Amino acid sequence: QKEVEQDPGPLSVPEGAIVSLNCTYSNSAFQYFMWYRQYSRKGPELLMYTYSSGNKEDGRFTAQVDKSSKYISLFIRDSQPSDSATYLCAMSFDTGRRALTFGSGTRLQVQP
Amino acid sequence: SQTIHQWPATLVQPVGSPLSLECTVEGTSNPNLYWYRQAAGRGLQLLFYSVGIGQISSEVPQNLSASRPQDRQFILSSKKLLLSDSGFYLCAWSGRTSLAKNIQYFGAGTRLSVL
Repeated sequence: QKEVEQDPGPLSVPEGAIVSLNCTYSNSAFQYFMWYRQYSRKGPELLMYTYSSGNKEDGRFTAQVDKSSKYISLFIRDSQPSDSATYLCAMSFDTGRRALTFGSGTRLQVQP
Repeated sequence: SQTIHQWPATLVQPVGSPLSLECTVEGTSNPNLYWYRQAAGRGLQLLFYSVGIGQISSEVPQNLSASRPQDRQFILSSKKLLLSDSGFYLCAWSGRTSLAKNIQYFGAGTRLSVL
Protein backbone atom coordinates (compact mmCIF):
# COMPACT_ATOMS: atom_id res chain seq x y z
CA GLN A 1 0.00 0.00 0.00
CA LYS A 2 1.32 3.43 -0.93
CA GLU A 3 1.73 5.92 1.90
CA VAL A 4 -0.29 8.52 -0.03
CA GLU A 5 -3.06 7.63 -2.47
CA GLN A 6 -4.44 10.06 -5.03
CA ASP A 7 -6.87 9.39 -7.86
CA PRO A 8 -4.95 10.05 -11.09
CA GLY A 9 -8.00 11.28 -13.03
CA PRO A 10 -8.30 12.86 -15.49
CA LEU A 11 -11.09 14.86 -13.92
CA SER A 12 -12.99 16.92 -16.48
CA VAL A 13 -15.37 19.68 -15.37
CA PRO A 14 -17.10 22.64 -17.04
CA GLU A 15 -15.91 26.15 -16.35
CA GLY A 16 -17.43 27.56 -13.16
CA ALA A 17 -17.82 24.18 -11.46
CA ILE A 18 -16.65 23.39 -7.95
CA VAL A 19 -13.79 20.92 -8.03
CA SER A 20 -12.94 18.51 -5.23
CA LEU A 21 -9.50 16.88 -5.18
CA ASN A 22 -8.61 14.34 -2.53
CA CYS A 23 -5.81 12.31 -1.02
CA THR A 24 -5.78 9.58 1.59
CA TYR A 25 -2.76 8.58 3.60
CA SER A 26 -1.75 5.77 5.92
CA ASN A 27 0.79 7.30 8.32
CA SER A 28 -0.93 9.12 11.17
CA ALA A 29 2.33 10.90 12.04
CA PHE A 30 2.04 13.28 9.09
CA GLN A 31 1.42 16.79 10.36
CA TYR A 32 2.02 19.15 7.43
CA PHE A 33 -0.14 18.92 4.33
CA MET A 34 0.54 20.70 1.07
CA TRP A 35 -1.10 21.10 -2.29
CA TYR A 36 0.97 21.82 -5.39
CA ARG A 37 -0.19 22.70 -8.90
CA GLN A 38 1.91 21.50 -11.81
CA TYR A 39 1.38 22.65 -15.35
CA SER A 40 2.59 20.41 -18.15
CA ARG A 41 6.40 20.24 -18.34
CA LYS A 42 6.82 22.71 -15.45
CA GLY A 43 7.90 22.43 -11.84
CA PRO A 44 5.27 22.13 -9.07
CA GLU A 45 3.99 25.41 -7.65
CA LEU A 46 2.95 25.56 -4.00
CA LEU A 47 -0.74 26.44 -3.66
CA MET A 48 -1.47 25.97 0.03
CA TYR A 49 -0.26 24.28 3.16
CA THR A 50 -1.95 23.42 6.44
CA TYR A 51 -0.68 22.19 9.75
CA SER A 52 -2.56 19.38 11.49
CA SER A 53 -6.34 19.33 11.08
CA GLY A 54 -8.65 22.09 9.95
CA ASN A 55 -9.50 24.26 6.99
CA LYS A 56 -7.60 26.98 5.20
CA GLU A 57 -8.96 29.29 2.54
CA ASP A 58 -7.10 31.37 -0.05
CA GLY A 59 -9.23 33.03 -2.69
CA ARG A 60 -10.98 30.34 -4.73
CA PHE A 61 -9.03 27.55 -3.01
CA THR A 62 -9.91 25.78 0.24
CA ALA A 63 -7.79 23.06 1.82
CA GLN A 64 -9.26 20.68 4.39
CA VAL A 65 -7.51 18.14 6.59
CA ASP A 66 -9.32 15.40 8.49
CA LYS A 67 -6.64 13.59 10.48
CA SER A 68 -9.12 11.21 12.09
CA SER A 69 -9.97 9.86 8.63
CA LYS A 70 -6.46 10.39 7.18
CA TYR A 71 -8.06 12.34 4.36
CA ILE A 72 -7.22 15.71 2.82
CA SER A 73 -9.08 17.73 0.22
CA LEU A 74 -8.58 20.73 -2.02
CA PHE A 75 -11.68 22.56 -3.25
CA ILE A 76 -11.58 24.96 -6.18
CA ARG A 77 -14.56 27.28 -6.56
CA ASP A 78 -15.56 28.89 -9.85
CA SER A 79 -13.03 26.79 -11.75
CA GLN A 80 -11.34 28.38 -14.74
CA PRO A 81 -9.64 26.87 -17.81
CA SER A 82 -6.37 28.21 -16.37
CA ASP A 83 -6.85 25.80 -13.44
CA SER A 84 -6.26 22.90 -15.84
CA ALA A 85 -3.16 21.21 -14.46
CA THR A 86 -2.04 18.28 -12.35
CA TYR A 87 -2.59 18.73 -8.62
CA LEU A 88 -0.21 17.00 -6.23
CA CYS A 89 -0.79 16.52 -2.55
CA ALA A 90 2.23 16.22 -0.28
CA MET A 91 2.76 15.72 3.43
CA SER A 92 5.55 15.62 5.98
CA PHE A 93 6.32 14.93 9.62
CA ASP A 94 6.72 17.50 12.37
CA THR A 95 10.17 16.30 13.32
CA GLY A 96 13.10 14.55 11.73
CA ARG A 97 13.99 14.69 8.09
CA ARG A 98 10.97 16.65 6.87
CA ALA A 99 11.13 15.19 3.38
CA LEU A 100 7.83 15.42 1.55
CA THR A 101 5.83 12.33 0.59
CA PHE A 102 3.84 13.01 -2.56
CA GLY A 103 0.71 11.59 -4.09
CA SER A 104 0.94 10.68 -7.76
CA GLY A 105 -1.20 13.66 -8.79
CA THR A 106 -4.69 14.24 -10.21
CA ARG A 107 -4.99 15.70 -13.70
CA LEU A 108 -7.74 18.33 -13.89
CA GLN A 109 -9.24 19.64 -17.12
CA VAL A 110 -11.61 22.61 -16.96
CA GLN A 111 -13.60 22.90 -20.17
CA PRO A 112 -14.50 26.43 -21.35
CA SER B 1 12.13 37.38 -2.75
CA GLN B 2 13.59 33.95 -3.19
CA THR B 3 14.07 32.36 -6.59
CA ILE B 4 15.40 29.02 -7.70
CA HIS B 5 17.15 28.47 -11.00
CA GLN B 6 17.63 25.12 -12.64
CA TRP B 7 19.30 24.32 -15.94
CA PRO B 8 19.29 23.10 -18.58
CA ALA B 9 15.55 22.83 -19.21
CA THR B 10 15.92 19.92 -21.61
CA LEU B 11 18.77 17.51 -22.16
CA VAL B 12 19.25 14.57 -24.50
CA GLN B 13 22.22 12.38 -23.68
CA PRO B 14 23.53 9.05 -25.00
CA VAL B 15 23.78 6.04 -22.72
CA GLY B 16 27.14 5.96 -20.95
CA SER B 17 27.71 9.72 -21.11
CA PRO B 18 28.24 11.87 -17.99
CA LEU B 19 25.61 14.18 -16.51
CA SER B 20 25.71 17.44 -14.61
CA LEU B 21 22.56 19.35 -13.64
CA GLU B 22 22.85 22.54 -11.67
CA CYS B 23 20.51 24.34 -9.31
CA THR B 24 21.03 27.66 -7.56
CA VAL B 25 18.88 29.55 -5.08
CA GLU B 26 18.79 33.32 -4.65
CA GLY B 27 17.42 35.47 -1.87
CA THR B 28 17.97 33.15 1.07
CA SER B 29 20.88 31.78 3.05
CA ASN B 30 21.61 28.29 4.26
CA PRO B 31 18.60 26.64 2.65
CA ASN B 32 17.83 22.94 2.72
CA LEU B 33 18.18 21.66 -0.86
CA TYR B 34 16.58 18.67 -2.55
CA TRP B 35 16.76 16.71 -5.81
CA TYR B 36 13.65 14.83 -6.94
CA ARG B 37 12.86 12.71 -9.98
CA GLN B 38 9.38 12.51 -11.45
CA ALA B 39 8.50 9.64 -13.77
CA ALA B 40 5.68 10.20 -16.26
CA GLY B 41 2.28 10.18 -14.52
CA ARG B 42 3.81 9.49 -11.13
CA GLY B 43 4.63 11.39 -7.99
CA LEU B 44 7.97 12.81 -7.01
CA GLN B 45 10.70 10.57 -5.67
CA LEU B 46 13.28 12.18 -3.40
CA LEU B 47 16.82 11.39 -4.56
CA PHE B 48 19.08 13.56 -2.38
CA TYR B 49 18.82 16.28 0.21
CA SER B 50 21.35 18.59 1.78
CA VAL B 51 21.28 20.64 4.97
CA GLY B 52 24.60 22.40 4.33
CA ILE B 53 27.76 22.65 2.24
CA GLY B 54 29.24 19.22 1.64
CA GLN B 55 26.40 17.49 3.52
CA ILE B 56 24.50 15.12 1.25
CA SER B 57 22.02 12.40 2.16
CA SER B 58 20.98 9.84 -0.42
CA GLU B 59 17.48 8.42 -0.33
CA VAL B 60 17.79 5.62 -2.88
CA PRO B 61 20.75 3.63 -4.22
CA GLN B 62 21.28 4.59 -7.83
CA ASN B 63 23.57 5.68 -10.59
CA LEU B 64 23.47 9.33 -9.53
CA SER B 65 25.34 11.48 -7.03
CA ALA B 66 24.89 14.99 -5.66
CA SER B 67 27.21 17.68 -4.39
CA ARG B 68 26.81 21.04 -2.69
CA PRO B 69 29.98 23.03 -3.29
CA GLN B 70 28.46 26.36 -2.18
CA ASP B 71 25.67 27.35 0.19
CA ARG B 72 23.09 27.95 -2.53
CA GLN B 73 24.34 25.59 -5.25
CA PHE B 74 23.28 21.98 -5.66
CA ILE B 75 24.56 19.71 -8.42
CA LEU B 76 23.26 16.36 -9.62
CA SER B 77 25.78 14.18 -11.46
CA SER B 78 26.37 10.85 -13.06
CA LYS B 79 29.53 9.33 -14.48
CA LYS B 80 27.68 7.04 -16.91
CA LEU B 81 24.01 7.49 -17.71
CA LEU B 82 21.63 4.55 -18.02
CA LEU B 83 18.39 4.40 -20.01
CA SER B 84 16.54 4.21 -16.69
CA ASP B 85 17.91 7.64 -15.69
CA SER B 86 15.50 9.32 -18.11
CA GLY B 87 12.92 11.47 -16.36
CA PHE B 88 12.02 14.91 -15.10
CA TYR B 89 14.48 16.16 -12.47
CA LEU B 90 13.41 18.81 -10.01
CA CYS B 91 15.44 20.83 -7.56
CA ALA B 92 13.73 22.30 -4.49
CA TRP B 93 14.64 24.40 -1.46
CA SER B 94 13.16 25.00 1.96
CA GLY B 95 13.95 27.29 4.86
CA ARG B 96 15.44 26.33 8.23
CA THR B 97 12.80 27.28 10.79
CA SER B 98 10.53 24.63 12.24
CA LEU B 99 7.67 25.58 9.91
CA ALA B 100 9.77 26.54 6.88
CA LYS B 101 11.52 23.17 6.78
CA ASN B 102 8.28 21.57 5.63
CA ILE B 103 7.50 23.99 2.83
CA GLN B 104 9.45 23.25 -0.32
CA TYR B 105 9.67 25.41 -3.43
CA PHE B 106 10.56 23.91 -6.77
CA GLY B 107 12.54 24.93 -9.80
CA ALA B 108 11.27 24.60 -13.37
CA GLY B 109 12.83 21.17 -13.84
CA THR B 110 15.13 19.46 -16.34
CA ARG B 111 13.70 16.93 -18.74
CA LEU B 112 16.40 14.32 -19.35
CA SER B 113 16.16 11.80 -22.16
CA VAL B 114 18.81 9.11 -22.27
CA LEU B 115 18.97 7.41 -25.66
